[in-house]
Amino acid sequence: RKEVEQDPGPFNVPEGATVAFNCTYSNSASQSFFWYRQDCRKEPKLLMSVYSSGNEDGRFTAQLNRASQYISLLIRDSKLSDSATYLCAAPRGDSWGKLQFGAGTQVVVTP
Amino acid sequence: EAQVTQNPRYLITVTGKKLTVTCSQNMNHEYMSWYRQDPGLGLRQIYYSMNVEVTDKGDVPEGYKVSRKEKRNFPLILESPSPNQTSLYFCASSLTYRDRAVIHEQFFGPGTRLTVL
Repeated sequence: RKEVEQDPGPFNVPEGATVAFNCTYSNSASQSFFWYRQDCRKEPKLLMSVYSSGNEDGRFTAQLNRASQYISLLIRDSKLSDSATYLCAAPRGDSWGKLQFGAGTQVVVTP
Repeated sequence: EAQVTQNPRYLITVTGKKLTVTCSQNMNHEYMSWYRQDPGLGLRQIYYSMNVEVTDKGDVPEGYKVSRKEKRNFPLILESPSPNQTSLYFCASSLTYRDRAVIHEQFFGPGTRLTVL
């Protein structure tokens, strides 16, 4: 089993709608989680960090469910510019220096 | 401007010809890391460094070498490149907590697209 798994999508979302997707992780000791956004094979850019139960930044909300070992990302009022691949990341179980990324969830916002 | 830079951005080379991809950051970050990204496989960690002179293997270190002689630089060396190392490579850096137990969010370089013929 991969340490971090994501639904690859694509999630096709009408503009203005809400979309949510999850990322499951296997290292129960992980203390920090990250959501990155990546456009067209450009460099990933940090969207949100999650250190406790969750985090909210404008239209974006990340929730951490430690019991079920997943983090979710919710995008409200989707914009065309939200179309991207969203990567989640968590430390590996055998070393805090090792970061495991999911393969990404593609979101396509349509007019 | 705070940034991570990589050079070259694009490189086409032939099997067996040694190459180095440079990575430099100006944010005084202790942690640096190299990733490769391949379709369907996502980002996979090659090597990382928690501080100067400290490097460790990631998930896919075979065929690569790194060094961390200075805090700001973390070059990736391919001693004898092979076609299966054709990929998109990203360097990243971040702060760490004082006890090195947690990695902060990472800043990525723009990527190096490598083709090995």
